Amino acid sequence: NAGVTQTPKFQVLKTGQSMTLQCAQDMNHEYMSWYRQDPGMGLRLIHYSVGAGITDQGEVPNGYNVSRSTTEDFPLRLLSAAPSQTSVYFCASSFTGGGYGYTFGSGTRLTVV
Amino acid sequence: LAKTTQPISMDSYEGQEVNITCSHNNIATNDYITWYQQFPSQGPRFIIQGYKTKVTNEVASLFIPADRKSSTLSLPRVSLSDTAVYYCLVGLTFGKGTMLLVSP
Repeated sequence: NAGVTQTPKFQVLKTGQSMTLQCAQDMNHEYMSWYRQDPGMGLRLIHYSVGAGITDQGEVPNGYNVSRSTTEDFPLRLLSAAPSQTSVYFCASSFTGGGYGYTFGSGTRLTVV
Repeated sequence: LAKTTQPISMDSYEGQEVNITCSHNNIATNDYITWYQQFPSQGPRFIIQGYKTKVTNEVASLFIPADRKSSTLSLPRVSLSDTAVYYCLVGLTFGKGTMLLVSP
């Protein structure tokens, strides 16, 4: 049982490049979310999904896209990377909504230069 | 989305009880309150969750008043290994975290 797996763990991008952060869970959780963590800002919700085919925006969605074609996977796409997107990104999943019992991945540290 | 406020930092000594309070005035009816612990370079780890009144598990207690506009995480007899950042999560919104430093 791997839990929530995020790849890559580290990434350096140039301004304007695009990339996809991968997130996969093997717990059959319906709810999945992406958060970014910045010093002094805590964790801020980017996008979330309540099930396959359903996504919604969180607090800071600009510059990011998501899709949820399967229950297991919830990739986060950066369309055109900017230095302001330098952050640590966490994916989380839970069986039900409302933040209940989130399991977090180990994070992706992204630097945009 | 709910807005949450918690102290930036707290200090304690080994063996003491620590109480960390989170304010969430605009909590929604269906929001749960969840607390997480995070160590450097790791993802947050679930500690405890509640909806109202008091919840207790093997590591912590969570006190939620009737109006649900705040919650208090109680850590009994902390040790050095409890030094970490503690976050409250209300619905899908995290607080900015409380850095707890436990000293010998």
